[in-house]
Amino acid sequence: DQQVKQNSPSLSVQEGRISILNCDYTNSMFDYFLWYKKYPAEGPTFLISISSIKDKNEDGRFTVFLNKSAKHLSLHIVPSQPGDSAVYFCAASPGGSRLTFGEGTQLTVNP
Amino acid sequence: NAGVMQNPRHLVRRRGQEARLRCSPMKGHSHVYWYRQLPEEGLKFMVYLQKENIIDESGMPKERFSAEFPKEGPSILRIQQVVRGDSAAYFCASSPIMVAVSYNEQFFGPGTRLTVL
Repeated sequence: DQQVKQNSPSLSVQEGRISILNCDYTNSMFDYFLWYKKYPAEGPTFLISISSIKDKNEDGRFTVFLNKSAKHLSLHIVPSQPGDSAVYFCAASPGGSRLTFGEGTQLTVNP
Repeated sequence: NAGVMQNPRHLVRRRGQEARLRCSPMKGHSHVYWYRQLPEEGLKFMVYLQKENIIDESGMPKERFSAEFPKEGPSILRIQQVVRGDSAAYFCASSPIMVAVSYNEQFFGPGTRLTVL
């Protein structure tokens, strides 16, 4: 039972353009959502989070949008840079404890 | 301020041997989580511990796997009688003391890559 799904295994964008990564969830108990970035042979690195009382959170080039009625969140990166190339995982939590991760999306930013 | 430390980074075991994976949380963090990532998959929750307490072990396989977080020293994930299907990357994460109505992100270590021959 995949409660958090990232339907796009890969995404390729040009440097300077916007990257949009999507994530859907099914569990209504999730109230805290996070995005992590992961390079090969390293652990995930926290990027940005949002709680269910908000619908948008912004941090520099990264913005996360939450649509609770659609059970959908997205991560926008603008402008995209080659160093952003990595696997991006969305994760969700009920009450800030265990995280349930999606399968990840490989982002490639081409110079 | 050191991050989450895991060792060893790589571990090779033969079928039937025991594997011990260690995790030292970030300074000031009292919550530890273990996750497993199988090839081509996302991370899957295994267990959540505080000092000397297992809070949630609902993701742990029923047999051969155990975890502890003693009062002193690192958290240990122990896998007895390893099988080939245990080959995976095991990640530890830590977070600070949770405060009501606020949330804390989890900070991950570099992982231990277990290979069972």
